[in-house]
Amino acid sequence: KQEVTQIPAALSVPEGENLVLNCSFTDSAIYNLQWFRQDPGKGLTSLLLIQSSQREQTSGRLNASLDKSSGRSTLYIAASQPGDSATYLCAVPGYGGATNKLIFGTGTLLAVQP
Amino acid sequence: NAGVTQTPKFRILKIGQSMTLQCTQDMNHNYMYWYRQDPGMGLKLIYYSVGAGITDKGEVPNGYNVSRSTTEDFPLRLELAAPSQTSVYFCASSYSAGGYEKLFFGSGTQLSVL
Repeated sequence: KQEVTQIPAALSVPEGENLVLNCSFTDSAIYNLQWFRQDPGKGLTSLLLIQSSQREQTSGRLNASLDKSSGRSTLYIAASQPGDSATYLCAVPGYGGATNKLIFGTGTLLAVQP
Repeated sequence: NAGVTQTPKFRILKIGQSMTLQCTQDMNHNYMYWYRQDPGMGLKLIYYSVGAGITDKGEVPNGYNVSRSTTEDFPLRLELAAPSQTSVYFCASSYSAGGYEKLFFGSGTQLSVL
């Protein structure tokens, strides 16, 4: 059974720092991996989707990498800003490999201090 | 552009009461999903639908029912509310299951069963 783990559960950094969020999954036979952002009281917003054939995806100050063999993904945030404060979740396909029925990690709560 | 719309945003139920959580999307997406999010936990899939008239169970379907009569709407029904169903419920949609799609989420319904 696929399990997704995110460490740390919470992270506080000063504004301007570069930071890395981690995501681990137990079954490496995945089609893709998504990173989401969740603001308090809001739904999830998809940030990046990495296909299994890709090693990384970039969007602005965000860069996500994927290493299937080791069952790990990282989300790199450059030059963090207070507006980056949110919970970040990763998710992989589960339930028989169906690409759009996702299994989520528990998230990392990020606080960027001004 | 509305995207995925959920109603209500908040609701308090008494044990044994019934209610329907509404979800509608205007992106002509084939796939729709219901997730629940408990504090400190990742999202768990309740039910999903691959198109009008077709639904299937996710990881935690007990105590819930769904229907999909149109492409746009995917309501979630709680028949006999129990305290264990206190959670935040998210509806989501995606265009296809090809592994390239992103999920779009509604803003959630916070439900308390007392």
